[in-house]
Amino acid sequence: EEQLVQSGGGLVQPGGSLRLSCAASGFTFSSFWMSWVRQTPGKGLEWVASVNQDGSEEQYVDSMRGRFAISRDNAKKSLYLQMNNLRVDDTAVYYCARVSPRTWKSFDIWGQGTMVTVSS
Amino acid sequence: DIQMTQSPSSLSAFVGDRVTITCRASQGIDKSVAWYQQRPGKAPKFLVYSASRLESGVPSRFSGSAYGTDFTLTISSLQPEDFGTYYCQQYFGIPYTFGQGTKLEMK
Repeated sequence: EEQLVQSGGGLVQPGGSLRLSCAASGFTFSSFWMSWVRQTPGKGLEWVASVNQDGSEEQYVDSMRGRFAISRDNAKKSLYLQMNNLRVDDTAVYYCARVSPRTWKSFDIWGQGTMVTVSS
Repeated sequence: DIQMTQSPSSLSAFVGDRVTITCRASQGIDKSVAWYQQRPGKAPKFLVYSASRLESGVPSRFSGSAYGTDFTLTISSLQPEDFGTYYCQQYFGIPYTFGQGTKLEMK
């Protein structure tokens, strides 16, 4: 079964840092672009970042560029999101997602989601 | 950024009904639209890509179409497992953006 299992998340103070992880199984991880998408009650689903198969190309939404960093370790079949200088409005459920080979820009497999709460 | 305006925001329907959800793009995006279903407490599920192509395993009662900058997802005969929230997504340009969602509830 193709699966993404997330870990990390939790409560962090404004200005703090957090690293999310996502472990893949059931498919050839190194063959796919991977992404992070977040969801808040106020803004709904929001694409955060994507990384290509070997990690040499990264894409970000402008509001998170410079604070968030997406990376991957193909040997460990894992995707990461390093989040720095966190703000209250970064509070969200964060999903890792596989980029579909149908389009290379939509998301066909999703992790279970992990809650990040930024609060003092 | 490309805005995706989804309507209605909520919808009540009976099992067996035909329902249609619409997304309007703020500019031309060819057919670069995907649709997702999300049940409460779960991750989104990929349903449709390229505006009208069903992902493998998605029931044929789901269909998608495109008319200029308007995109629709239709469920021909609602089943109990179809209730949840539906989102469109454009992938014509970065940043990829989603509609605000349509909550489909049982009447």
